[in-house]
Amino acid sequence: DGGITQSPKYLFRKEGQNVTLSCEQNLNHDAMYWYRQDPGQGLRLIYYSQIVNDFQKGDIAEGYSVSREKKESFPLTVTSAQKNPTAFYLCASSKGTGVQTQYFGPGTRLLVL
Amino acid sequence: AQKITQTQPGMFVQEKEAVTLDCTYDTSDPSYGLFWYKQPSSGEMIFLIYQGSYDQQNATEGRYSLNFQKARKSANLVISASQLGDSAMYFCAMREGVNTGNQFYFGTGTSLTVIP
Repeated sequence: DGGITQSPKYLFRKEGQNVTLSCEQNLNHDAMYWYRQDPGQGLRLIYYSQIVNDFQKGDIAEGYSVSREKKESFPLTVTSAQKNPTAFYLCASSKGTGVQTQYFGPGTRLLVL
Repeated sequence: AQKITQTQPGMFVQEKEAVTLDCTYDTSDPSYGLFWYKQPSSGEMIFLIYQGSYDQQNATEGRYSLNFQKARKSANLVISASQLGDSAMYFCAMREGVNTGNQFYFGTGTSLTVIP
């Protein structure tokens, strides 16, 4: 089945630790995105990538980093510089430029110990 | 200015009744798309329906329809014959086609509760 997978489902971070959230898609989509959702809130864009080896900052990129070495994969690293990382993280993908539907993975809940 | 505005934080509907969730948008791009997503308590965002700016007719997908009023810049979601499983958060979103940056803009969501 084609889709987007995210792992882990739950992730715990200690103070000062970097953690990486995985996002993989087998939809052959060019564009991939990372969003953060806080309780009772909408989605805020962290980073997005339109093609391999290229990515752009979204509205709240500080304290996060990404890479896009493969078309299928777009991992997100939450660095120690992100002081309030507890949130729900959603990865999404779409076919590319133009008005294309965005599809989402199941999400990762990050909690700080 | 907000790109997407959802003014109803919470809505209630009786089972089997219809409900309308409001969404207004702001763009100067002639080409854009409007989307509705459902987010149940599990957290996954489920794509429901899409309306293109050049589409002449309102989009429909099963029990979902999009009431597209271009001059008013509104894209309300209508759910007919509500079911208990429709209880969830609903998000309206927009993507601009010409000046894309490939960004989606999301509203703050509406929490729908279906009452048996």
